[in-house]
Amino acid sequence: EVQLVESGGGLVQPGGSLRLSCAASGFTFSNYWMHWVRQAPGKGLVWVSRINSDESRTTYADSVRGRFTISRDNAKNTLYLQLNSLRAEDTAVYYCARVVSGSYSFFDSWGQGTLVTVSS
Amino acid sequence: DIQMTQSPSTLSASVGDRVTITCRASQSISSWLAWYQQKPGKAPKLLIYKASSLQNGVPSRFSGSGSGTEFTLTISSLQPDDFATYCCQQYNDYPLTFGGGTKVEIK
Repeated sequence: EVQLVESGGGLVQPGGSLRLSCAASGFTFSNYWMHWVRQAPGKGLVWVSRINSDESRTTYADSVRGRFTISRDNAKNTLYLQLNSLRAEDTAVYYCARVVSGSYSFFDSWGQGTLVTVSS
Repeated sequence: DIQMTQSPSTLSASVGDRVTITCRASQSISSWLAWYQQKPGKAPKLLIYKASSLQNGVPSRFSGSGSGTEFTLTISSLQPDDFATYCCQQYNDYPLTFGGGTKVEIK
């Protein structure tokens, strides 16, 4: 069974940093592109970032480019998202999600999400 | 960016009703559209991909249609477990974008 388990969320002050993790199991993690998607409280889903299977390609939404960094450790079956220079508008549940392939970027598996709250 | 617009934003229906949700793209996305179901406090669940392909394990009462800029999700006979929020997502181009969601409520 595919499992994705996020961790690392919490309360952080504006301008602060956090690192989110997503532990994967039940599939060959190193074969899949992985993404982060976020959802502000009561709002819709917003795509954040993606990384290819060997970490050679990354893509970011304009709203986070230069502040967030996606990475992965295939030996540890773990996806990461480093969040720097956090703003109030970054407050959201952050989901990691698996896509079928790099060309077909729909999400067939999701984690349960981890809440990031940016507030003073 | 490709904008995805869903309608209605809220829908009140009864068990057994046929329900249709519309998703419109701001430009053609061919058939590169997915539909998700989300319940409060839970992650989204994939229902449909490539506009009309049913994800494994999803009940056949769910169906999708459309291409280009207009798409629909239909639930042929609404069941109690189907009261949830539904959203569409285009994967024709980056950034990937989602519709704002349609909440299906009990009438």
